[in-house]
Order: sequence, then C-alpha cells, then structure tokens
Amino acid sequence: AQTVTQSQPEMSVQEAETVTLSCTYDTSESDYYLFWYKQPPSRQMILVIRQEAYKQQNATENRFSVNFQKAAKSFSLKISDSQLGDAAMYFCAYRSAETSGSRLTFGEGTQLTVNP
Amino acid sequence: DTEVTQTPKHLVMGMTNKKSLKCEQHMGHRAMYWYKQKAKKPPELMFVYSYEKLSINESVPSRFSPECPNSSLLNLHLHALQPEDSALYLCASSHTGFRQYGYTFGSGTRLTVV
Repeated sequence: AQTVTQSQPEMSVQEAETVTLSCTYDTSESDYYLFWYKQPPSRQMILVIRQEAYKQQNATENRFSVNFQKAAKSFSLKISDSQLGDAAMYFCAYRSAETSGSRLTFGEGTQLTVNP
Repeated sequence: DTEVTQTPKHLVMGMTNKKSLKCEQHMGHRAMYWYKQKAKKPPELMFVYSYEKLSINESVPSRFSPECPNSSLLNLHLHALQPEDSALYLCASSHTGFRQYGYTFGSGTRLTVV
C-alpha cells in the first residue's frame, strides 16, 4: 500500500516571501500521479498542482512549483511571493496510474500561516 | 460547469433523525466519491461509485447509505447517526480510467449530530 508523509504539521511565512512544504511518499509502482491540494477555511479542497511520475520536468502553476525527486520519492511544494490568500491547510496526495479507479491517498497535511 | 455542488452546507440532526446529503456535478465525470473529514485531518474515503455502480465501500457502518440515481447525482442517506459521526462530508468527482487527473471536490456539508 502507498503512504504519504508530510513531516511539517505547521509552517509560517511572511507575505511576499517563499516557503517550501515537504512531502515524501512510499510506493512500489512506477506510474502514478502526485498532487498538492489546498483547503482554506472555506473548506473546499482546491487542486493546486499535479505531477505525472513519468514526466521528469517539474510542474509549475504561476507562483506554485514542485521539486519532484522520483528516486528519493520526494515531492515538495514551493510557494513564491506568498499572499495572505495562500493561508490554508495543504495536503499532498498520491494516486496510482496503474489501477483504474484508484483512490487518492493523502498525507496528514501542513497548516500554512501567512503573516502580513 | 466545473463545479461539484453539495447541499446542504450545514446540517444538525438528532440521533434518531433521517436526513440526506446531496452532491451534483455536470462535468461528465463518471466516478463520484464520498469522503469524511475530521478537523485538522485528511479526508477519509467512504464510498466510490463508478458508472453509477458502487465499486468501493470502505467498511462504512450501515447507518450511512449511499445512492447514485444517475451520472450527475450522488446522495448519502443518514439514519441513526452517533455524535462521533459529526464531521465535514466531502463529495468529489473525476473521470474514470487510468489516464486521468485529480478529483474535483465540493465545499462539503458540515454535519453535527446531537
């Protein structure tokens, strides 16, 4: 079974600064997807960024980028130019691409605070 | 339409009540999911429907009864719940098949059992 570990329960960053959230995972599969989801106090889980394991290039979405290290099974999220609206719980998630209908496996989450 | 809509947003029910949660999407997704989420914790999978058929039941107590009447609608019927069932209930949907991406989540129903 796959597991996802987020070792930072809480992180804080100053507005306009850069912060990196860590995620490691364990799997025996070679084909999978990794995701970062954001859950603000409004409760909705919002997809921030996704990475396909067969792609070596790190995904980027505006101020959000990932550092995907497949051999190390590491998938960190970098938020540049942090904004107050980035404050939220961030979940790293794994999904197999080898099994149809497979589930999302979540990490425990990192609560990000953005200080003005 | 790129949303998953959940109603109601908040629900308070007694332990002897019967209520239902509703989830709707019009993105053509043929997989739909119910998750339960406690405060400060990740969502926990409850049920998965694929092509309107129940494909995964994560050993959820029978007081939770899912229903998928059509490809756009997912219900969760609640009966004789316990206070520990109080949580945020999230619905999600996705395309099926191997090559697909993340889920689209609704904003959830905050359930309180008194």
